[in-house]
Amino acid sequence: GQNIDQPTEMTATEGAIVQINCTYQTSGFNGLFWYQQHAGEAPTFLSYNVLDGLEEKGRFSSFLSRSKGYSYLLLKELQMKDSASYLCAVRDKNSGNTPLVFGKGTRLSVIA
Amino acid sequence: DTGVSQNPRHKITKRGQNVTFRCDPISEHNRLYWYRQTLGQGPEFLTYFQNEAQLEKSRLLSDRFSAERPKGSFSTLEIQRTEQGDSAMYLCASSRSAGGGNEQFFGPGTRLTVL
Repeated sequence: GQNIDQPTEMTATEGAIVQINCTYQTSGFNGLFWYQQHAGEAPTFLSYNVLDGLEEKGRFSSFLSRSKGYSYLLLKELQMKDSASYLCAVRDKNSGNTPLVFGKGTRLSVIA
Repeated sequence: DTGVSQNPRHKITKRGQNVTFRCDPISEHNRLYWYRQTLGQGPEFLTYFQNEAQLEKSRLLSDRFSAERPKGSFSTLEIQRTEQGDSAMYLCASSRSAGGGNEQFFGPGTRLTVL
């Protein structure tokens, strides 16, 4: 079966750094995505990892370890607008641009 | 605005009625995906198209659900004989087919409430 686990909720302080972890067990693997979703809105793309290591994009970084089935999303210099759900998603086939399997999401609350 | 549009944005219907949703993807994207999302959950895959061909359907997609993409552009998702358990946000996404890093762009969703 397929299993993607991430914490349900996290709280962090404005200006701080927060790390959201994701572990996955899937039948295949062809990339891991992080999406941000504000309440009542569509998910928006944040990052993509297919090889091991760290990808940095502004205040957001994402890390992948394929051997451990593990990823994290790092958010720096937190702002109030970062309060949202963060979705970890995996392509569970070994090739191709196929549908994503999503985790349940981590609801992040940024407080003053 | 990602460029993917969905209509209607909200639909309230009575149990047993049929509903149809429309998705217009980004014009140069040949892949189109339908997902369903309920409160507190991540999106769950329903079905997807490469141009007009339906490539895969999830086990979640019962016989009451049908999706089409007749000309390889917009797509429709129809639910027949709606049930209260069908209440959810229905999300459409599109992407290019080639290239491993091609992310899926999501539309704003259609929120369905079945009374």
